[in-house]
Amino acid sequence: QSALTQPPSASGTPGQRVTISCSGTISNIGSFDVHWYQQFPGRVPKLLVHRDNQRLSGVPDRFSGSKSGTSASLVISGLRSEDEADYYCAAWDGSLPGLSFGGGTKLTVL
Amino acid sequence: EVQLVESGGGLVQPGGSLRLSCVASGFTFSDYQLEWIRQAPGKGLEWVGRSRGKTKSYTTEYAASVKGRFTISRDHSKNSLYLEMNSLKVEDTAVYYCTRDNWGSDHWGQGAWVTVSS
Repeated sequence: QSALTQPPSASGTPGQRVTISCSGTISNIGSFDVHWYQQFPGRVPKLLVHRDNQRLSGVPDRFSGSKSGTSASLVISGLRSEDEADYYCAAWDGSLPGLSFGGGTKLTVL
Repeated sequence: EVQLVESGGGLVQPGGSLRLSCVASGFTFSDYQLEWIRQAPGKGLEWVGRSRGKTKSYTTEYAASVKGRFTISRDHSKNSLYLEMNSLKVEDTAVYYCTRDNWGSDHWGQGAWVTVSS
């Protein structure tokens, strides 16, 4: 069982805005940076957003991260078919200690 | 260009041992924290452990699931990171990624498959 909780699935139609949530506790999201990864089937994960809301170079500004208290969100605006992938949140957990990943959210573009 | 290349994966029986290697290039190896992250077939990402950089004296930390069985080490003369895995269990079957941490894992190797089966 992951220390960070994500919905197993999310979906939207092209052009829509989709939000993927990541819920944690004071010992992880509440105290440390949240990072978001994108993974296509059979491919290596890619860091999209780090330090809660900083996009990596080359990541479209359709992707944005935010954090409030012990929860974080990845918002994808103007959804495109090529956004269909698995998305993972991650944060250090001081109570373990160790790096925790969310269980992942499979995004489907309808 | 930053590159991380893993090797050493394979099939091993339960209780056996295996050592993964990760050769790094394109950055100052000693400056960075490096991670091992794994992904079991059809499952999500799981952190295995890390080797901190020079400023943190290359200290290591491990996930509870592997602590006492796995050991992370570095060879700076070879720009290499290692994952020594002992007492392997069926549930250790996964692709193992070596990553560079730069406020998140910004570079990943292609992964090394480890299959633990009798």
